Amino acid sequence: EDQVTQSPEALRLQEGESSSLNCSYTVSGLRGLFWYRQDPGKGPEFLFTLYSAGEEKEKERLKATLTKKESFLHITAPKPEDSATYLCAVPGGGNKLTFGTGTQLKVEL
Amino acid sequence: DAGITQSPRHKVTETGTPVTLRCHQTENHRYMYWYRQDPGHGLRLIHYSYGVKDTDKGEVSDGYSVSRSKTEDFLLTLESATSSQTSVYFCAISEGQGALFGTQYFGPGTRLTVL
Repeated sequence: EDQVTQSPEALRLQEGESSSLNCSYTVSGLRGLFWYRQDPGKGPEFLFTLYSAGEEKEKERLKATLTKKESFLHITAPKPEDSATYLCAVPGGGNKLTFGTGTQLKVEL
Repeated sequence: DAGITQSPRHKVTETGTPVTLRCHQTENHRYMYWYRQDPGHGLRLIHYSYGVKDTDKGEVSDGYSVSRSKTEDFLLTLESATSSQTSVYFCAISEGQGALFGTQYFGPGTRLTVL
């Protein structure tokens, strides 16, 4: 069965304090790994797609990396506006995306 | 923002009543999806559509039906709502699926409460 596990469940950082979020997965035949950001009361907002081990993508203070078993979302010098829940997902059988339960990030001044 | 709207955005209903949620897209994407999001479970796929009149079940489809009569509209119906269907419902769209999975873009969500 396809599985996605995200850690930690919650993370509190000071502004400027860099850290990483983890997404580990088990799926047969990786067809991509997706990162989303979700703000309270809103739909998930697409951030990155990674398709092969070793691939990296960056956007502002965020960088996503992928290995054969996990992905990391690195946050460099975060700001309060980076506070959100970060979700990762992998395609499973058919057309199904399996989501993790997310990491709730809070960045404080 | 992807051109996806959901209606209604909030709804309170009573157990046993039928409820229909609507998803409308302006992107002309082939695939449309309905998910529900509950604490501790993440997003779970209810049903999806891969074209007009072409639909298939997801992992939590019991108690739900869908219809797609036009490319731009995907309806989710709860025939007889139950309290366990209290949730936030999200619609998503994607251009297509192949060897590499296409990116899904999500709508703003509908918060449904069944009393």
